Amino acid sequence: KQEVTQIPAALSVPEGENLVLNCSFTDSAIYNLQWFRQDPGKGLTSLLLIQSSQREQTSGRLNASLDKSSGRSTLYIAASQPGDSATYLCAVQETSGSRLTFGEGTQLTVNP
Amino acid sequence: DTAVSQTPKYLVTQMGNDKSIKCEQNLGHDTMYWYKQDSKKFLKIMFSYNNKELIINETVPNRFSPKSPDKAHLNLHINSLELGDSAVYFCASSQRAGIGNTIYFGEGSWLTVV
Repeated sequence: KQEVTQIPAALSVPEGENLVLNCSFTDSAIYNLQWFRQDPGKGLTSLLLIQSSQREQTSGRLNASLDKSSGRSTLYIAASQPGDSATYLCAVQETSGSRLTFGEGTQLTVNP
Repeated sequence: DTAVSQTPKYLVTQMGNDKSIKCEQNLGHDTMYWYKQDSKKFLKIMFSYNNKELIINETVPNRFSPKSPDKAHLNLHINSLELGDSAVYFCASSQRAGIGNTIYFGEGSWLTVV
């Protein structure tokens, strides 16, 4: 059974700092991995999707990497801003293709 | 235009009641999902439908029954509500089931059972 773990559970940083969020998964037989953002009282917004054959994806200040063999992914946020404050969720899409297994999220606070 | 919309957004109801949450997507997607986010913010899939056919049915109580009248709609009916059903329920959709399909989520429905 796939399990996804995110570390740290919470992170508070000053504005402008670069930061890394970590995600690990137990079964490397995945099709892809996605990073989502969840704002309080809102749904989930997909940030980056990395196919299992890829090593990384970039969007603006965000860079996500994937090491499938070791079961790890990182989300790098450059020059963090207060507007980045949210919960970041990592999810893997399993070999059935339809199911996402989520981690418990990292709650990020960027202080002005 | 909202891509995946759910109603109601907030629902407070008493134990034992029967309630429904409706979901509609205007993206032309074939696949829809229901996820549950518990008090610890942990998201888990409950059901998935592809072209109105059930393809994922996780271990959830029989009191939960999804219904898909067409591929743009997936409603969630909950009978005999219990305190433990209090959670946020997210509807989602993707172009199709399978590899590499980005999943789009609705804004959630906050259910509180008292």
